[in-house]
Amino acid sequence: EAGVTQFPSHSVIEKGQTVTLRCDPISGHDNLYWYRRVMGKEIKFLLHFVKESKQDESGMPNNRFLAERTGGTYSTLKVQPAELEDSGVYFCASSQGSYRGIYEQYFGPGTRLTVT
Amino acid sequence: TQLLEQSPQFLSIQEGENLTVYCNSSSVFSSLQWYRQEPGEGPVLLVTVVTGGEVKKLKRLTFQFGDARKDSSLHITAAQPGDTGLYLCAGARGYNTDKLIFGTGTRLQVFP
Repeated sequence: EAGVTQFPSHSVIEKGQTVTLRCDPISGHDNLYWYRRVMGKEIKFLLHFVKESKQDESGMPNNRFLAERTGGTYSTLKVQPAELEDSGVYFCASSQGSYRGIYEQYFGPGTRLTVT
Repeated sequence: TQLLEQSPQFLSIQEGENLTVYCNSSSVFSSLQWYRQEPGEGPVLLVTVVTGGEVKKLKRLTFQFGDARKDSSLHITAAQPGDTGLYLCAGARGYNTDKLIFGTGTRLQVFP
C-alpha cells in the first residue's frame, strides 16, 4: 500500500510568486492534514480536512494560504503571494479514523519551500 | 510558549549505550505519539500511548506515558547506529481532536 505522497519535494520561488503544493493521502483515508515546520521551530498544525470539508483551519497563518481537497481525494495548498517567512517544510498527513478517540496520523515526506 | 518540551535537544552516544528522551508539558494530553524522522523524510509513527502510566515496548524501545498524562519518555536499550534520527513527541489535547502539538525534537546520533 502506497503511503502519503507529496509533490514537489522541493520548490524555490521568489517573493511575490505563487506556489501550489500537492498531497495524495493513503487510499481510503478520509482525514487529511497539513502541517508546517519553519526553520528552528517545531512542526505546527495548519488545517484538517474530513473528506472534502475543512474540519479545522485554525492553524492557517493568513489569507495568503488556500487549501482545497477536491472530491475528498488529493489536496492542494496554495500560497499566493509567497513571503520570505513562508519558507519551511510543509508536511501532509492522513488518517483513517479514530480508535478510542485517537487519530493515528501518517506523514508524507514533505515539500521543502524556499522563498527568496 | 512551547507546550511540549523535549530533552535533551541533542544526544551523541556510542553503540551499545542506553538513553532516555523526555517529553514534558504542564498540560494534560489525551494521547501522545512518538515519531522518528530521518533527513528528507516525514515523521514515521512509532507508538501511541493513551492511558496514564501506560508502558509500551517496541523491540529495544520502551515508551511510557506519565500517570498524569502530562509527560512521556522514550528509553532505548543498547542503541544501534540505525537508531540515529530525530525523535519527536506529539500530543493531542482532547479526545476526538486531530490537531497534533509537536515537541521540538531530540536529535540522536549513535556512533559505531
